[in-house]
Amino acid sequence: GNSVTQMEGPVTLSEEAFLTINCTYTATGYPSLFWYVQYPGEGLQLLLKATKADDKGSNKGFEATYRKETTSFHLEKGSVQVSDSAVYFCALSDGTGGFKTIFGAGTRLFVKA
Amino acid sequence: DAGVIQSPRHEVTEMGQEVTLRCKPISGHNSLFWYRQTMMRGLELLIYFNNNVPIDDSGMPEDRFSAKMPNASFSTLKIQPSEPRDSAVYFCASRPSNHRGGATDTQYFGPGTRLTVL
Repeated sequence: GNSVTQMEGPVTLSEEAFLTINCTYTATGYPSLFWYVQYPGEGLQLLLKATKADDKGSNKGFEATYRKETTSFHLEKGSVQVSDSAVYFCALSDGTGGFKTIFGAGTRLFVKA
Repeated sequence: DAGVIQSPRHEVTEMGQEVTLRCKPISGHNSLFWYRQTMMRGLELLIYFNNNVPIDDSGMPEDRFSAKMPNASFSTLKIQPSEPRDSAVYFCASRPSNHRGGATDTQYFGPGTRLTVL
């Protein structure tokens, strides 16, 4: 079945450091891929998405590229801020826009000033 | 738009009591999801509805849990009787349909209800 695996946290970085959070997936067909972010005390919210191979999703300085050959969707940001401290979830939904979204376990990011 | 609304935001109850969590999805969204989040198990899908009809409840932990969606603007998740291991944050999420009435991909989450069962 479909699944998502992301790197375990927590990830601790200093402000302005480069961020990579790895995500790989297993899926049949052509899923859409997502990164959601959860700030403390809040629900998840969509950060970015990509719907087909080689697409790059981007938002708020974060980027991720849909790599079908490596079944990956790694999240990157060139310079993190303290306000980026949150939990990041990689997710996929199947290619038919099906009813379920499969979420990874989440990676907690701490950014120090 | 006010987004997905959940109530209450916090609930503390004693073991054996009935708990009802409420959700108002975003207007016009035709899919609704209930999730549970704990440190140990992460984010778990409990049940989802499409056009008010339960599609998959395989994530509901046991018969103590039940969910209803009587209309397009309201859903409840009930736990009866509650147990300490039910303590978690419960999220409701909704998802819009596309112009053809089919499902789209992005879910919109509410702020969650933090449930503590003593």
